[in-house]
Amino acid sequence: EAQVTQNPRYLITVTGKKLTVTCSQNMNHEYMSWYRQDPGLGLRQIYYSMNVEVTDKGDVPEGYKVSRKEKRNFPLILESPSPNQTSLYFCASSYRGDYNEQFFGPGTRLTVL
Amino acid sequence: DQQVKQNSPSLSVQEGRISILNCDYTNSMFDYFLWYKKYPAEGPTFLISISSIKDKNEDGRFTVFLNKSAKHLSLHIVPSQPGDSAVYFCAASSYSEKLVFGKGTKLTVNP
Repeated sequence: EAQVTQNPRYLITVTGKKLTVTCSQNMNHEYMSWYRQDPGLGLRQIYYSMNVEVTDKGDVPEGYKVSRKEKRNFPLILESPSPNQTSLYFCASSYRGDYNEQFFGPGTRLTVL
Repeated sequence: DQQVKQNSPSLSVQEGRISILNCDYTNSMFDYFLWYKKYPAEGPTFLISISSIKDKNEDGRFTVFLNKSAKHLSLHIVPSQPGDSAVYFCAASSYSEKLVFGKGTKLTVNP
């Protein structure tokens, strides 16, 4: 089954404790992206990757890091989480850039205390 | 600056009637538009798209209309069903540029 998986689905952590949210896709997509969804703000892009070892900032990259060492994986790293990063996070992938429909993961609900 | 606007946070319609969700954009470079549907506790799923070379695209009960001169697109759902109740996001992009999403419209279809 073609899918984007994220782990964990739910996470409660404390300020400053480094965490990683994993994202994996099995569709051989070149393009992967991370979004956060906040009430009243819709979906905002954090980082994206056009291909292996190619990453770039989205609209709200502050406080986040990403890496793309393999085509299928695109982890989101919060080196020192803060309460304003409490949000619902989605990973997405598509065959080639935003011009194609993006497939979204199920989401990771993160709470930073 | 909000480039993609969905001015109605919510919409309620009766089952069997038409649902019309609206979206406005400001960037004249956008040439590809998509609608996504999102249920609670799930990721958004692609619904339908339209290229700027067209003014209408249909897929079953879903039709998207594009008015380039007004920088406006709309999603029509006919007939609406209770299972259509979800948040609908409008998104736009130009080739090689990232998708820009609207804030979403929550559709409730009442039985």
